[in-house]
Amino acid sequence: DVKVTQSSRYLVKRTGEKVFLECVQDMDHENMFWYRQDPGLGLRLIYFSYDVKMKEKGDIPEGYSVSREKKERFSLILESASTNQTSMYLCASSYDRGAGYEQYFGPGTRLTVT
Amino acid sequence: SQQGEEDPQALSIQEGENATMNCSYKTSINNLQWYRQNSGRGLVHLILIRSNEREKHSGRLRVTLDTSKKSSSLLITASRAADTASYFCATVKGYQKVTFGTGTKLQVIP
Repeated sequence: DVKVTQSSRYLVKRTGEKVFLECVQDMDHENMFWYRQDPGLGLRLIYFSYDVKMKEKGDIPEGYSVSREKKERFSLILESASTNQTSMYLCASSYDRGAGYEQYFGPGTRLTVT
Repeated sequence: SQQGEEDPQALSIQEGENATMNCSYKTSINNLQWYRQNSGRGLVHLILIRSNEREKHSGRLRVTLDTSKKSSSLLITASRAADTASYFCATVKGYQKVTFGTGTKLQVIP
């Protein structure tokens, strides 16, 4: 079974703090993704990575950065957290072998910035 | 953006009834996928339909795709209380780009 894990289920941080969200997958997937999910807005892609050290901006990259030093790990960084970054953050991974890019999701991290 | 739009936004049915939800999108796609999300959890992939397919079945799920109308529907037959969840369509175009819709919240009443 594919497993995608995220470092925290719930996180509370203060405005201005640097925040790290970690995601690990155990199926040797090439692609990894970070989304945020807000009521009424669905899932919006922040960044994705199709290989180690490679990254591409998604639809809403402002205020975020990412790091992928190892194939199994993809980190999302909030350089200076703000209250409008309070959200549910979802990590996903997928193969890059013509499987149609079916994505496997982690359980999510609910981040609150106060 | 080619974000999918699900319709209806919310649906409440009795156990045993069928549930139908629809997805519309804006541009051409390689494939379309449906996902399910239980409250406060990650998404789980249900079914994928390619742009050259018109219908696909998986257990109690039936998905149709009409590329001329840029729309898809997900039918859940003989619904169960455990089907209560949010359902999202996701369109895939180009290299790795997956775009999710805003979801349909389904409640199945026992």
